[in-house]
Parts: sequence; structure tokens; C-alpha cells
Amino acid sequence: DTGVSQDPRHKITKRGQNVTFRCDPISEHNRLYWYRQTLGQGPEFLTYFQNEAQLEKSRLLSDRFSAERPKGSFSTLEIQRTEQGDSAMYLCASSFSQGTYEQYFGPGTRLTVT
Amino acid sequence: TQLLEQSPQFLSIQEGENLTVYCNSSSVFSSLQWYRQEPGEGPVLLVTVVTGGEVKKLKRLTFQFGDARKDSSLHITAAQPGDTGLYLCAGAGRLPKNQFYFGTGTSLTVIP
Repeated sequence: DTGVSQDPRHKITKRGQNVTFRCDPISEHNRLYWYRQTLGQGPEFLTYFQNEAQLEKSRLLSDRFSAERPKGSFSTLEIQRTEQGDSAMYLCASSFSQGTYEQYFGPGTRLTVT
Repeated sequence: TQLLEQSPQFLSIQEGENLTVYCNSSSVFSSLQWYRQEPGEGPVLLVTVVTGGEVKKLKRLTFQFGDARKDSSLHITAAQPGDTGLYLCAGAGRLPKNQFYFGTGTSLTVIP
């Protein structure tokens, strides 16, 4: 396993369109996290899963944002009716659910909403 | 409200100089991580500190966790251009242990 992967790396979309991002975590990890990062800032936590259960979603930015992890492996993050303010880097990370919870990040998906 | 404050926010130094980055909070963390991030890439984990007062060394980088587990520092000796990047600290909350709180970040530029 070569680490966390995300697809696509870059996405350009027009305002009002829906977008979906995919994250494949490190296979041994049962936790998966989604973050948003804007330029020059630290990552902002959005939601996380333990196996297929979404244990925290109150920090999703709005009801336009949703995430799934149907089989406890890969996850998708969907943004509906995109707005220009959604332009950011969307990061995925994975970890074990015990110990120090060290998170390993993917390369991110850069979203640009025009 | 930012749970973790980093200082300085920006740092530009000459190759060979030493520097220290600080990560401060009023909250107690069960562990704290330091990451380095390059433009257009995800953060890369450098180190995890767990015990109050713990010191870890990674080549020219020295990490310290405060005695009360509320703060941390990163010291780089003889900085090199390859150290350039965004340095992020992240604390794991004591309860519940399910979220990381990232700091505001320190952007380091090492000039050859």
C-alpha cells in the first residue's frame, strides 16, 4: 500500500454544479477524515468515519456537503450546488482508531469554482 | 476561534540559521503532531509527541511537548532550503479522541 490516494487531483467546475471527490485510505486504517484547507491556513476538519459509520458530521460546512463510506473502505465527499466560496483544497486522511491517532494525508483535491 | 495558535505566521531566514516555531493552546491534548506541507500537496507527518515534557529529535529538527500538554515547539538547526514549507501542529483532543485540531500554520522560507 502506497498511502492515501485522492481523485481527482484538480477539479474546475462552474457555480451551481455538483462535484464528487474520492479518497482511498491506507488499507489497514479504519478511520477516514475529510478536511478543507484554504490558502495559507491549516486544514479545517469536516467529518470522519470509523469503518462505515460517520461518527462526526456536525462540522460539515453546510447541508450542501455530504460524505459516504459505504463499505468501510474508500470514501466520497460530495458538494452540491457549488459556490465560489467552496474553492479550496479538500484533504483526506486516515488513521487507526487507537494509539496516538496519527493521521496520514493524501495529496488533496484542488477545487476551483468559476 | 482557533484552538491552536502558531507563531510566527511567516518566517524568512538565511540558510544555516536556526529557528523556533511555537504552537500554543489553552486546551490540553492527548498527543500532538507536527506536519510539513509543500504547495499543492497534503501535509506529511514529521513527529508525534505524547508525554508532557517529551523531547524528540529528527536529524536537525527538535520537537518539544509542554509539561502541561498545551503547547509545543519545533526548533530547526542550520536550516536548509529543503526545509521550506508550511509547518502545522495538530492536537488530538482528550475527549473524544476523534478530531485533530490544526494550528494556523507557519510558512517558512529558507533562502540559499
